[in-house]
Amino acid sequence: KAGVTQTPRYLIKTRGQQVTLSCSPISGHRSVSWYQQTPGQGLQFLFEYFSETQRNKGNFPGRFSGRQFSNSRSEMNVSTLELGDSALYLCASQPGTGLSTEAFFGQGTRLTVV
Amino acid sequence: GQSLEQPSEVTAVEGAIVQINCTYQTSGFYGLSWYQQHDGGAPTFLSYNALDGLEETGRFSSFLSRSDSYGYLLLQELQMKDSASYFCAVRNRDDKIIFGKGTRLHILP
Repeated sequence: KAGVTQTPRYLIKTRGQQVTLSCSPISGHRSVSWYQQTPGQGLQFLFEYFSETQRNKGNFPGRFSGRQFSNSRSEMNVSTLELGDSALYLCASQPGTGLSTEAFFGQGTRLTVV
Repeated sequence: GQSLEQPSEVTAVEGAIVQINCTYQTSGFYGLSWYQQHDGGAPTFLSYNALDGLEETGRFSSFLSRSDSYGYLLLQELQMKDSASYFCAVRNRDDKIIFGKGTRLHILP
């Protein structure tokens, strides 16, 4: 069974640009969550999608957005990039929703904004 | 505010036992999970506690006391490969997942 796949693995962007990150969950998993990980703030919740619907959103500005497709693949977009957006972006997939079911994380996309 | 507090770093000796604590303050509570993350790697699920008490999975055990808003992860017979960061996480009443900032475990030979 293939794991969670995130593309690209590494990305360098300039301030003001926008970026789109992709996450393919484990086959059969319908829930995808996104997190931002930085050394100072740990793992911060961005949003969660289930069956193409956003179930919840973390405390991030509107520049951060996402969506989920009918095949459960998900994308997140960050517009007007700022230096502070440099981070590891992780997605996690679960069969359903809820913390009790094991969440499987991808290797992440390392975004560097210069 | 809502938060999970864990020590930033813990050091232990190979073969010993170590406990990583997590106290939480959240609006609503739907169980406590623990994840392990090696440098450069993805977080991997270790355990979940919904009810009070101890859950054991091999060398790892996790404990929860809901009345104290407290839990811990216990690692026994430490091995060098256990050197990693450990995160506790809670889903709150708003259905948001909150992670602690992580505990870096250093293991000495």
